[in-house]
Parts: sequence; structure tokens; C-alpha cells
Amino acid sequence: DGGITQSPKYLFRKEGQNVTLSCEQNLNHDAMYWYRQDPGQGLRLIYYSQIVNDFQKGDIAEGYSVSREKKESFPLTVTSAQKNPTAFYLCASTPQGTHTEAFFGQGTRLTVV
Amino acid sequence: GNSVTQMEGPVTLSEEAFLTINCTYTATGYPSLFWYVQYPGEGLQLLLKATKADDKGSNKGFEATYRKETTSFHLEKGSVQVSDSAVYFCALSDNTGGFKTIFGAGTRLFVKA
Repeated sequence: DGGITQSPKYLFRKEGQNVTLSCEQNLNHDAMYWYRQDPGQGLRLIYYSQIVNDFQKGDIAEGYSVSREKKESFPLTVTSAQKNPTAFYLCASTPQGTHTEAFFGQGTRLTVV
Repeated sequence: GNSVTQMEGPVTLSEEAFLTINCTYTATGYPSLFWYVQYPGEGLQLLLKATKADDKGSNKGFEATYRKETTSFHLEKGSVQVSDSAVYFCALSDNTGGFKTIFGAGTRLFVKA
């Protein structure tokens, strides 16, 4: 079945460490996105990519980095520069064009210990 | 820029009550409108969508009508169930600046037996 797979589901990080969240899709979608969700709040866009080897900053890109070397993969690195990384991270993808819905992974819950 | 505003929650209803969650939007052009649902600890999934004015999206007893004159897309259900307890997000597909999806802040619904 086609879909988006995020891993791991739960991740614990010590302060000062970088961690990478995985996002893989087999939907053949061109665009991929990373969102951050804090308890009781909506979604905030971190980074998005519309095509391989290209990506743009979203609203809260500071302290995060991404790469898009393959169409199906869009990993997110949470760096030590991100001061408050504990959150729920959601990856999504869409085909190009208007009127398209976003498909989401199951999310990764990151906790700084 | 484009934006989505939805009613603040939480909304608490008894089983079989009527549900309305208000959503209004600001957009240039002709966006598509969506309602997504998020169950605890999971990613978002599409509930329904409408791609042009006066379209009605419907699914699982939920419905919403794309009202261009009032820039609204209110979610309704005639008789809610305990299993409908979740967070509901209104969203629009922004076809300017790269086909990003813009989400509202989300409305948490609690349904009591």
C-alpha cells in the first residue's frame, strides 16, 4: 500500500545532540513537508521541498535542517541550535498542482531528556 | 497572505448532539478547502474536501459547503459519536508560492457518552 512512513515513532535526545527524523513516501509525490505540532496547538511549517535537490524554509526553520537527495525521502535533522525541540513532528507529501490533499505520516514524538 | 481561522476549542458535546465547527478563510484566487482529522498520537487524515464554490464535501456523516460569498467552510455533523472525539483542522490549498497547505489552529472535540 502507498503511504508515508515516519521513523522512529518515539525519539529521545540529550541536550546538545543532533537527531535525524526519517520520512519516506512511496506515493510518487513531488512535494514533501515537515510540520511541528506542540501540545494543544496547530501545525507550523518547518521546511518544504517541491523537487529533488531543492527545499525552502517554512515559518520556523531555525535550528532545523533538511535534505532532498531522493524523491521518496525527506529527512529532518533537529540540531543542537533548536532550543526547544520537544514536540510532535509530522511529515506530509502532496502531488504537484492545485486542489491536492496532503498525505501525512504517523508522526515522531521527540523528547529532550 | 492567505490564512485560515477556525473556532477555538475544546468543544464538548453529548453523544447524538449536532456539531458545528466554524472555519473562515482569506485567500486570493480560488483555493481548495479541506477538513482533516487527527486522532490521539496519530498524523492527520483527510476527512473531506471541496474544490470550488458551492461544492459540498461529505464523508462519514460530516459535511461542509464551500461558501465563497462568506469565505467559510463550516464543518457539520447531525449526530456525533464518542468515536468522533479528535482534533479537526480546516485547511486550504494555497496555489501561490508553491502549493503549500495552510492549516487552521485546530479544534478539539470531546464527545461524552
